[in-house]
Amino acid sequence: IAGITQAPTSQILAAGRRMTLRCTQDMRHNAMYWYRQDLGLGLRLIHYSNTAGTTGKGEVPDGYSVSRANTDDFPLTLASAVPSQTSVYFCASSGTGTEEVNEQFFGPGTRLTVL
Amino acid sequence: GQNIDQPTEMTATEGAIVQINCTYQTSGFNGLFWYQQHAGEAPTFLSYNVLDGLEEKGRFSSFLSRSKGYSYLLLKELQMKDSASYLCAVTDSNYQLIWGAGTKLIIKP
Repeated sequence: IAGITQAPTSQILAAGRRMTLRCTQDMRHNAMYWYRQDLGLGLRLIHYSNTAGTTGKGEVPDGYSVSRANTDDFPLTLASAVPSQTSVYFCASSGTGTEEVNEQFFGPGTRLTVL
Repeated sequence: GQNIDQPTEMTATEGAIVQINCTYQTSGFNGLFWYQQHAGEAPTFLSYNVLDGLEEKGRFSSFLSRSKGYSYLLLKELQMKDSASYLCAVTDSNYQLIWGAGTKLIIKP
């Protein structure tokens, strides 16, 4: 693994179904993030985690949950998918904050369609 | 509220120069990022400004004026591969990134 990986690449899901999007990073970054990107709206933060064992809500957390059992993995779960959750989902990570530039590194994204 | 404004779309000619503007109103400021995103791909880091002034990196430069809540990304010697969306993002007082909707740059031969 190099950087951040996400799975699946794309998924078509029936409304009401449960779905977990996976995200794994191998850069030992403390902070991880989940965004959704919709046309014309830019990136919106769903949930974040500043370090393993802690999580926080972003701008649009409703209908989503996350966990951070270890440094590397940060799964995003849709408990009961709805069509408005159709979007492209990006996972990102960033360093410890001691770097001069604390840029975020992004995974390749998951394209999710809820019918 | 927090707000970041960028033009939705810009068109430029191959070999020319283009300036993409970004204005922001956020609760606190801890730096401004520019990212590039090609269609169907993830955003990738271009530049970071935390102090006023111009940061130059090859064909790309980024400028910041904190007093005016303003930044621009300058792209020189445009190439067809520069066709992409350019995202402006500001780190607020809680060290969260606030993202603009992005500017789609179309390069014509």
